[in-house]
Amino acid sequence: AQSVTQLDSQVPVFEEAPVELRCNYSSSVSVYLFWYVQYPNQGLQLLLKYLSGSTLVKGINGFEAEFNKSQTSFHLRKPSVHISDTAEYFCAVSSTTGNQFYFGTGTSLTVIP
Amino acid sequence: NAGVTQTPKFRILKIGQSMTLQCTQDMNHNYMYWYRQDPGMGLKLIYYSVGAGITDKGEVPNGYNVSRSTTEDFPLRLELAAPSQTSVYFCASTPQGRTEAFFGQGTRLTVV
Repeated sequence: AQSVTQLDSQVPVFEEAPVELRCNYSSSVSVYLFWYVQYPNQGLQLLLKYLSGSTLVKGINGFEAEFNKSQTSFHLRKPSVHISDTAEYFCAVSSTTGNQFYFGTGTSLTVIP
Repeated sequence: NAGVTQTPKFRILKIGQSMTLQCTQDMNHNYMYWYRQDPGMGLKLIYYSVGAGITDKGEVPNGYNVSRSTTEDFPLRLELAAPSQTSVYFCASTPQGRTEAFFGQGTRLTVV
């Protein structure tokens, strides 16, 4: 089975500052990795995903993430955040052989004006 | 371009009542999932299905039932509602390779 750990439950950051949201996973098989964003009272929307190939993945809204196999991490970054980035962010993993997605407990990003 | 559709969006139930949360997808996905989301707990898997006629339990199946008679529909049934089932419920579907999960907008359920 797989598991996902999001190391920070809340991250406050000032507008236009950079941000990194951390995600570590555990798995004994090859994995696919995802970041989803949830705006208040809405469903989850895909930000980006790593399936294979380049370890640096670019997503929507200026976000990017880097897959690090040796450190089993998939941290999400943005060089300059906006007020509109305030939301809950979920890291998720699925395996190439299993049937399920596993989600972290989420990181609440608050952008301060 | 509907994707995953959940109904209802909101519901208040009394303890002991029953209800069915509806989920439909129009992407011909084999895999479908039901999650519940509680504050600070992330998403917990209730049940999932890998195709019509096949369902399996997730992490927190107690108090719930599902069926999958067609590829499109995956309803979630609560037989005897309890306050512990107050939550936001999300349905999701993925294509065969599980390369992305598509989510519905959620159902906010309150049991009083």
